[in-house]
Amino acid sequence: DQQVKQNSPSLSVQEGRISILNCDYTNSMFDYFLWYKKYPAEGPTFLISISSIKDKNEDGRFTVFLNKSAKHLSLHIVPSQPGDSAVYFCAASATASGTYKYIFGTGTRLKVLA
Amino acid sequence: DAGITQSPRHKVTETGTPVTLRCHQTENHRYMYWYRQDPGHGLRLIHYSYGVKDTDKGEVSDGYSVSRSKTEDFLLTLESATSSQTSVYFCAIKDSLISGNTIYFGEGSWLTVV
Repeated sequence: DQQVKQNSPSLSVQEGRISILNCDYTNSMFDYFLWYKKYPAEGPTFLISISSIKDKNEDGRFTVFLNKSAKHLSLHIVPSQPGDSAVYFCAASATASGTYKYIFGTGTRLKVLA
Repeated sequence: DAGITQSPRHKVTETGTPVTLRCHQTENHRYMYWYRQDPGHGLRLIHYSYGVKDTDKGEVSDGYSVSRSKTEDFLLTLESATSSQTSVYFCAIKDSLISGNTIYFGEGSWLTVV
């Protein structure tokens, strides 16, 4: 059973517009959520995170929104740039349990068109 | 740079042979992780460690074993490699002192089992 789901395998957005990547989870014990970006032949790089005590976190062009009741989080990139073209993974962890296991989604490939 | 070194970076091996991948870190991180990345499956946790000699299974641990005899090294062993274990393997660390609950990844080890 997949605990973290990214239902859109791919997304294309015009340069300068907003990119919205979505992620759903099923485990109500998850209390910490992260987004990573991955370029080919490189390791995933951390982008932004959010704790379950918040519903929004911003870092420059990146904003993560958390809707706990819907078990849904989203990553907004504004404005989108060609360099943002990559695979994006969301991840979740139940940190309050003290186990610090991080479960990832299957990824969404973002293509930003110039 | 999370101070993670993975070796080997690329390896081709034959079915049935044992293979060990090494993850080395230089900054005394307590938590270390092994993930594999496959198309359509995203990043899946194989095993993780929360201290010397303390390890636990992840989502896809069958066919893999791990060892952590010292803080800086986390070894992933495929006792008898199979073609289904052809994948990209990523090591990650959790850096509590700097970033709390965020994990950081190494550059990956590409393993091909023929």
